[in-house]
Amino acid sequence: AQSVSQHNHHVILSEAASLELGCNYSYGGTVNLFWYVQYPGQHLQLLLKYFSGDPLVKGIKGFEAEFIKSKFSFNLRKPSVQWSDTAEYFCAVNGQKYGNKLVFGAGTILRVKS
Amino acid sequence: EAGVAQSPRYKIIEKRQSVAFWCNPISGHATLYWYQQILGQGPKLLIQFQNNGVVDDSQLPKDRFSAERLKGVDSTLKIQPAKLEDSAVYLCASSLDRGTGELFFGEGSRLTVL
Repeated sequence: AQSVSQHNHHVILSEAASLELGCNYSYGGTVNLFWYVQYPGQHLQLLLKYFSGDPLVKGIKGFEAEFIKSKFSFNLRKPSVQWSDTAEYFCAVNGQKYGNKLVFGAGTILRVKS
Repeated sequence: EAGVAQSPRYKIIEKRQSVAFWCNPISGHATLYWYQQILGQGPKLLIQFQNNGVVDDSQLPKDRFSAERLKGVDSTLKIQPAKLEDSAVYLCASSLDRGTGELFFGEGSRLTVL
């Protein structure tokens, strides 16, 4: 069974549309949650992270993610996307039940049409 | 601050040949990771070093893959002999400490095995 599931592999949106990318993880217990982003031609970089506290986390470039423990989810959102948000987005989890390894989902390729 | 450096960026070899990838992490980062990213999938951890010791190599195909991090700084990942299914991007990442999940990635080394 996949440890980290990302619901959509490809998403195409027009500029100014709202974005929500789904992420679910398999195992309970204490987890740390991340979204990484890879812009075309660039390296993977951290977008935002959740360790504890407020389940609504704000990251760079207007992105936010909400941790819902009862649903094992950590969905990424942005109210209004821009062409420059075109990239591949990866959800990742670590924690004791993941062997303290950072485990990635398969990624979602987002294309924003101008 | 200089990022994680990797070389070569691209390598094409025939099956059964050998290949080596080099990584120089961010200065001061104790933990170094090698990930394999096959097209259409998320990065998968191959090996994790803490300084020059191996923390986790449970997903490293040890019959053909080897890695070392002499002196706790640079690292080399070797594949010998290569198989067709080794075609992937090999990502090196580093972090200040293990377990945080906040990884800094290099641009990757793309391997094509013919």
